[in-house]
Amino acid sequence: QQQVKQSPQSLIVQKGGIPIINCAYENTAFDYFPWYQQFPGKGPALLIAIRPDVSEKKEGRFTISFNKSAKQFSLHIMDSQPGDSATYFCAASGETSGSRLTFGEGTQLTVNP
Amino acid sequence: EADIYQTPRYLVIGTGKKITLECSQTMGHDKMYWYQQDPGMELHLIHYSYGVNSTEKGDLSSESTVSRIRTEHFPLTLESARPSHTSQYLCASSYGSLGHTGELFFGEGSRLTVL
Repeated sequence: QQQVKQSPQSLIVQKGGIPIINCAYENTAFDYFPWYQQFPGKGPALLIAIRPDVSEKKEGRFTISFNKSAKQFSLHIMDSQPGDSATYFCAASGETSGSRLTFGEGTQLTVNP
Repeated sequence: EADIYQTPRYLVIGTGKKITLECSQTMGHDKMYWYQQDPGMELHLIHYSYGVNSTEKGDLSSESTVSRIRTEHFPLTLESARPSHTSQYLCASSYGSLGHTGELFFGEGSRLTVL
């Protein structure tokens, strides 16, 4: 049972472009929505996270947009750089899941020079 | 920088062998997790622990077992490895009280190949 669906599976943009990765969730009890970034040969690392009391959160070039009524959230990367090339995972959790994260399927982002 | 370590990083073994993947963290986190990562990227929770002597199975059924005798140590064992166990195994830990999700800190993974 996939409770967090992520798209697209892969994404290629040119340097300076604004890749957007989308996630949709089913469980209305989810109240924590992080994004993780994974480089080849490394474990995922927390990039940015949001809680449903705000509709947007920005950290540097990374922005999460959150739409509670649609049960969707997305990651935008402004002025993307080749160093942003990585796999990105959205995730969600809530008290009913015992704080365990449910991950999306992942998006492989390539930023061409 | 996360202080969570996994060994071995790479392991190639024959079918039927017993293997243990080690995971240690020096952050004093109560919560620890094992994820299996497909070649196609998706992360699946296979085991988790909220403290010493506490272990639970995750969302994906796994033939592996885990133990949590010490806070900092969360090893994963396969009694008899099979080719279907070939995968990357990621260990993670987090802080936070029960019901509250803290940041997950991941190790660099153990890539297992069973011939």
